[in-house]
Amino acid sequence: NAGVTQTPKFQVLKTGQSMTLQCAQDMNHNSMYWYRQDPGMGLRLIYYSASEGTTDKGEVPNGYNVSRLNKREFSLRLESAAPSQTSVYFCASSEAYSRYLVEQFFGPGTRLTVL
Amino acid sequence: AQSVTQLDSHVSVSEGTPVLLRCNYSSSYSPSLFWYVQHPNKGLQLLLKYTSAATLVKGINGFEAEFKKSETSFHLTKPSAHMSDAAEYFCVVSTGGGNKLTFGTGTQLKVEL
Repeated sequence: NAGVTQTPKFQVLKTGQSMTLQCAQDMNHNSMYWYRQDPGMGLRLIYYSASEGTTDKGEVPNGYNVSRLNKREFSLRLESAAPSQTSVYFCASSEAYSRYLVEQFFGPGTRLTVL
Repeated sequence: AQSVTQLDSHVSVSEGTPVLLRCNYSSSYSPSLFWYVQHPNKGLQLLLKYTSAATLVKGINGFEAEFKKSETSFHLTKPSAHMSDAAEYFCVVSTGGGNKLTFGTGTQLKVEL
């Protein structure tokens, strides 16, 4: 039982390049989330998927797209990377999209640098 | 709207002394509150959560937090710090019908010998 896994662990991009961050969970969770973590700002929600087949914008969605490929996998795409997207990206999952089933389980993160 | 304020960005304690990490929240509705811990270069791990049951919540590794509605606070405490407690701690609030979490800016806990 690996929990939430993310690939890659590290990535360096040049401005304008594209890439996809991968996330998978093996806990049979319905809901999945993408966050970014910047110094002094805590974690901010980029996009979430309350259930398979649905996605919604979070607090900071600009410059990103997501795909809920199936129940296990939720990917985050940067179409044209910008230096402002340099950050640590965390994927998380929870059993359901409900404040009463709210524990979110986090992956180890992807450290992205955009030059 | 919901928000959370962690009152200290850095806290330093000696091993064996008490830990107090302060958190105040703002919420239009009855909140769910959490503390997560992040060790260096790791993901976040849930320490404890409050979801309108007992106001004193016990978590892992000897941590506990008390929900005080009158003070809108949810401070994290531990009676005796251990070197392995050195990490960043996030206070988090969730309100409304969904599961959107609002994170505080974090408190870096340093434990010295």
